[in-house]
Amino acid sequence: GENVEQHPSTLSVQEGDSAVIKCTYSDSASNYFPWYKQELGKGPQLIIDIRSNVGEKKDQRIAVTLNKTAKHFSLHITETQPEDSAVYFCAASLDPGNTPLVFGKGTRLSVIA
Amino acid sequence: EADIYQTPRYLVIGTGKKITLECSQTMGHDKMYWYQQDPGMELHLIHYSYGVNSTEKGDLSSESTVSRIRTEHFPLTLESARPSHTSQYLCASSEYVSGTEAFFGQGTRLTVV
Repeated sequence: GENVEQHPSTLSVQEGDSAVIKCTYSDSASNYFPWYKQELGKGPQLIIDIRSNVGEKKDQRIAVTLNKTAKHFSLHITETQPEDSAVYFCAASLDPGNTPLVFGKGTRLSVIA
Repeated sequence: EADIYQTPRYLVIGTGKKITLECSQTMGHDKMYWYQQDPGMELHLIHYSYGVNSTEKGDLSSESTVSRIRTEHFPLTLESARPSHTSQYLCASSEYVSGTEAFFGQGTRLTVV
């Protein structure tokens, strides 16, 4: 089955700097890659996703890039703010309509003011 | 704001007790999931359902059981709680459509003493 590796497990950045979180997946047939943000005391919430027919997607300060050949995808957060501090999860799915998402182990991001 | 609710938010219970964690959603989603989240953040899929009377075990072996008698309700039951069951339990739901967002509840933090 699919296996998703996520790095780093913890990340500290100064406010205003950029943060990058990287994930690799094992099944080349996977075609859907979402990112979730979990704030303290809450459940994870989708922040951005990308499909395998797209190489990059942006939404304001966040962007996701996908390299299908290398089987890795990354989350980029620019101009980080204290409210970006949270746990971030990447995930992959072979067939989101029929198989559950496989999540990475999470990255705890701390933005230092 | 996601319309998925978990009760209770916090539960402290003695070893050997039977407990049921409740999860309800008002979005009419066919797919529902239970995840166990360990202190290290990682999400482990323990059960999922793709519709009424459909339940499947997830990747992590669990001594819990689930039922799906109604679309909106997906309770998780532990027949005999043990300290090893102490964890955060997250419920999620999504539409039965390829690639749609999974909505998570706020979680139940269970402590077995």
